[in-house]
Amino acid sequence: NAGVTQTPKFQVLKTGQSMTLQCAQDMNHNSMYWYRQDPGMGLRLIYYSASEGTTDKGEVPNGYNVSRLNKREFSLRLESAAPSQTSVYFCASSKGGTSGAWEQFFGPGTRLTVL
Amino acid sequence: SQQGEEDPQALSIQEGENATMNCSYKTSINNLQWYRQNSGRGLVHLILIRSNEREKHSGRLRVTLDTSKKSSSLLITASRAADTASYFCATDANSWGKLQFGAGTQVVVTP
Repeated sequence: NAGVTQTPKFQVLKTGQSMTLQCAQDMNHNSMYWYRQDPGMGLRLIYYSASEGTTDKGEVPNGYNVSRLNKREFSLRLESAAPSQTSVYFCASSKGGTSGAWEQFFGPGTRLTVL
Repeated sequence: SQQGEEDPQALSIQEGENATMNCSYKTSINNLQWYRQNSGRGLVHLILIRSNEREKHSGRLRVTLDTSKKSSSLLITASRAADTASYFCATDANSWGKLQFGAGTQVVVTP
């Protein structure tokens, strides 16, 4: 059981470049989330997917897009990276749905630097 | 904006002592969760307390929730060096798992 996996672990981009962060979970969870964490701050929700086939904006969605490819995978895309998007990105999942189990399981994070 | 605010921002204690940190929030919640983050790692879920619960225990952890004061506390008893980490509270207002995190309390436990 790998839990939540994220790729890549590190990435350096130039302003204006695009990239996709990949996330996969093997726990058969319904809900998946993307967060960013900036120094000295807690996590802020970018986008979430309550169930396969649905996505919705979180607190800081501007500059990002997401795709819930299937129940396992939830990707985050930066179309035109900006220095303000330099951050550590975490993917998480929870059983959610009617289970009432809303504890989230986190991946190890992707450290992104935009120059 | 961040829903939860932890207090203190940093805490330094010796092994064997208890560590208490508090979380205040602004709007009504469905549940409140506490997470631990070791340096450079992802978050690990510690405990979830629902709005109709007042206290919950898990091993050396004790969480209380006072919805009238919109506050929660996390107590770690008999701290160990391995408890050194940042601790975050997160509130779930609508039970869809859309968590709002506080800025965290950084705890250092020295041997």
